[in-house]
Amino acid sequence: AQSVTQLGSHVSVSEGALVLLRCNYSSSVPPYLFWYVQYPNQGLQLLLKYTSAATLVKGINGFEAEFKKSETSFHLTKPSAHMSDAAEYFCAVRNQAGTALIFGKGTTLSVSS
Amino acid sequence: KAGVTQTPRYLIKTRGQQVTLSCSPISGHRSVSWYQQTPGQGLQFLFEYFSETQRNKGNFPGRFSGRQFSNSRSEMNVSTLELGDSALYLCASSLGDSEYQETQYFGPGTRLLVL
Repeated sequence: AQSVTQLGSHVSVSEGALVLLRCNYSSSVPPYLFWYVQYPNQGLQLLLKYTSAATLVKGINGFEAEFKKSETSFHLTKPSAHMSDAAEYFCAVRNQAGTALIFGKGTTLSVSS
Repeated sequence: KAGVTQTPRYLIKTRGQQVTLSCSPISGHRSVSWYQQTPGQGLQFLFEYFSETQRNKGNFPGRFSGRQFSNSRSEMNVSTLELGDSALYLCASSLGDSEYQETQYFGPGTRLLVL
């Protein structure tokens, strides 16, 4: 069965610092992986997705993620944090039937000036 | 193109009542999925509809039901509300043709408070 684990429920960085949000997956089939961001009182917005075309995936707002099969990881990074990046981030994997997303517990990113 | 819309945005109900939430997908999208988000359980899949048929269902009691209309709009219903049903209910739409790679686009959610 598919599952996702996000390491660290809270991550704090300074403005301009590297952002690294960790996601490890478990999947019995080739995984389709997604990162979403949720701002307060809003729905989820897609940052990027991995669909096997390339292991390094670039998304919106300067975020990118690298798919590492050997480590079963899909960590999200951004070279330089901005105050507007403060939000909750969710990693997700498609279920085996392809009809649902299985989400991790989420990581809250705080950015200080 | 307009995004996914959900109505109402906020709702307060009392235990034992029932509630109906509505979701209008992006134009052209035929798949609608529903998720429940709570602080304790996180984001959990409720069910998915495609062309008026439920294709997949999560692990929720029968009090949670849904349907989809011919215009792809969807409703979910929760009967006999319990305090634990307080949550943000998110609707997501996608084309539905090739599910694995497709992006699900989420609405802003309906926040339900059960007193």
